[in-house]
Amino acid sequence: EAGVAQSPRYKIIEKRQSVAFWCNPISGHATLYWYQQILGQGPKLLIQFQNNGVVDDSQLPKDRFSAERLKGVDSTLKIQPAKLEDSAVYLCASTDRGAFEQYFGPGTRLTVT
Amino acid sequence: DAKTTQPTSMDCAEGRAANLPCNHSTISGNEYVYWYRQIHSQGPQYIIHGLKNNETNEMASLIITEDRKSSTLILPHATLRDTAVYYCIVRVEDDKIIFGKGTRLHILP
Repeated sequence: EAGVAQSPRYKIIEKRQSVAFWCNPISGHATLYWYQQILGQGPKLLIQFQNNGVVDDSQLPKDRFSAERLKGVDSTLKIQPAKLEDSAVYLCASTDRGAFEQYFGPGTRLTVT
Repeated sequence: DAKTTQPTSMDCAEGRAANLPCNHSTISGNEYVYWYRQIHSQGPQYIIHGLKNNETNEMASLIITEDRKSSTLILPHATLRDTAVYYCIVRVEDDKIIFGKGTRLHILP
């Protein structure tokens, strides 16, 4: 079974630029999550999708972050414009309906200079 | 905020059992105890979960106290590949996961 795929693995941008991350969840998984992990901390949930609808985006900084999940499969997370404090690893995870376990991708490490 | 308290770091000799404690004194009756781990430069990986009874799988054992206010994750024969940050999480089924800072486990050769 293929795991959660993310790209790119690494990205370096200057502040005020924009950036986008892509996630392909495990086939058939209805729920998709985006997390932000700042160095030394545990991952923090940014947004949760159920199919192509948003379930929870209470922690998403909506003035600069946006996410979509077209057709209930792949998802993109965008930051525009980026700030220095956005430097972090962005993790995507997915889970099957009714399952306990979330499967995480390898993450995208973003550095904002 | 995370509802659990874990030691910041622990050491364990290779081949010995690693016992990772977690306090969750405010756990509710319908909240499960989950454990995930995160190896360097990888995403978190599910290990095990339980509600009231002790649980065992191919990776680890989970011992939950009778009052459910604390639990211990046991890696029976630790290897160098078990070096990671281990997160103890309590959550209601289907609810979002709130990660704390976890325990950084160092396996010593």
